Amino acid sequence: EDQVTQSPEALRLQEGESSSLNCSYTVSGLRGLFWYRQDPGKGPEFLFTLYSAGEEKEKERLKATLTKKESFLHITAPKPEDSATYLCAVRLSGGSYIPTFGRGTSLIVHP
Amino acid sequence: DAGVTQSPTHLIKTRGQQVTLRCSPISGHKSVSWYQQVLGQGPQFIFQYYEKEERGRGNFPDRFSARQFPNYSSELNVNALLLGDSALYLCASSLELGQGIGEQYFGPGTRLTVT
Repeated sequence: EDQVTQSPEALRLQEGESSSLNCSYTVSGLRGLFWYRQDPGKGPEFLFTLYSAGEEKEKERLKATLTKKESFLHITAPKPEDSATYLCAVRLSGGSYIPTFGRGTSLIVHP
Repeated sequence: DAGVTQSPTHLIKTRGQQVTLRCSPISGHKSVSWYQQVLGQGPQFIFQYYEKEERGRGNFPDRFSARQFPNYSSELNVNALLLGDSALYLCASSLELGQGIGEQYFGPGTRLTVT
């Protein structure tokens, strides 16, 4: 069973059409939740780190929020250049510093 | 400052051969991790090194090995290549391991194709 689940798998938006991506995790003892952006054929680009429920981070048109069991990446008025795969990763308690990644959400923004 | 660099960018190998991938972390970063990413999936953790010591190992066979050098650069070696080893291999560096400063910064990856 996947510990980190991202939904939807793929999302198509019109330019300016705001939406949210979801990342849910099934384990307790979260020691950090990370969002990355990945363009085709390239390495993931770090976006945000969230550590506790209620925490929010913003960067340009992106806003990440965290609850006890899930995180949302809100995209406000997206532009075509926001098209990418968005990856979520969690780092769990127990002394491990190794993050577990979800499969990602592929976002396409049409002009 | 330069980001994480990896070499080579692309590589084609034959089944049974051996391959060495290289990674240079961001200046000042002491931790390096290696990931395998198959098309359509998230990165899968292979190894983590900190201060030249192995700090974590993922669920990969012994054909995979790695090391970190005194300058914090790292190599990933894969022996007896299989078709299923074809993937994007990513290196990530971070300043330290502790919570609060553990964000990882990824390199562009090495695309390995095994034929």
